[in-house]
Amino acid sequence: GAVVSQHPSRVICKSGTSVKIECRSLDFQATTMFWYRQFPKKSLMLMATSNEGSKATYEQGVEKDKFLINHASLTLSTLTVTSAHPEDSSFYICSGRRSGRSGVEQFFGPGTRLTVL
Amino acid sequence: QKEVEQNSGPLSVPEGAIASLNCTYSDRGSQSFFWYRQYSGKSPELIMFIYSNGDKEDGRFTAQLNKASQYVSLLIRDSQPSDSATYLCAVNIYGNNRLAFGKGNQVVVIP
Repeated sequence: GAVVSQHPSRVICKSGTSVKIECRSLDFQATTMFWYRQFPKKSLMLMATSNEGSKATYEQGVEKDKFLINHASLTLSTLTVTSAHPEDSSFYICSGRRSGRSGVEQFFGPGTRLTVL
Repeated sequence: QKEVEQNSGPLSVPEGAIASLNCTYSDRGSQSFFWYRQYSGKSPELIMFIYSNGDKEDGRFTAQLNKASQYVSLLIRDSQPSDSATYLCAVNIYGNNRLAFGKGNQVVVIP
């Protein structure tokens, strides 16, 4: 499989601060990256789809001004949680899409656990 | 109707037995189908993909696809405690560049 990295793996911050999470595809070019969040024992929830060089497409109910996404290159997408609050505490996971035999393959990063105090 | 459904509850299997997971999807034009494994506190890991009707085997895992009935299944043979995880079914919806995920099925392998 392909490798996707995320940084940081864990972050604890105070309420009101902004947190940036980086997602990198290490051995393939990801024209599309996806950002998910997952609460404990719950399903993955797609937040937004990020295409290189264009604006992200957000899912219904996800505030684009709160969750800023930048996909500046074929290997890097960033998610910034602005003015974070305790309810934003969650597990944030990115994935990169790679075109392959199966048509569409998605490989996930290891995730970032955000805790907002 | 949800795009991808995994309806059965937690599955407990004894070590060495076969674990069987099922998934149905709504879009008849779907082309590609995936199974991910997610350990508690970790992100999903791709373990199988299938895009042709029939069976596809990889080690102890077998994916089965039936497009006419719109279901895809995963069999885990000789289940090991290390197979205890949540298994997510994902489908590439026709004309869409993303995968639709089921809510997952938890598998617990009892030593």
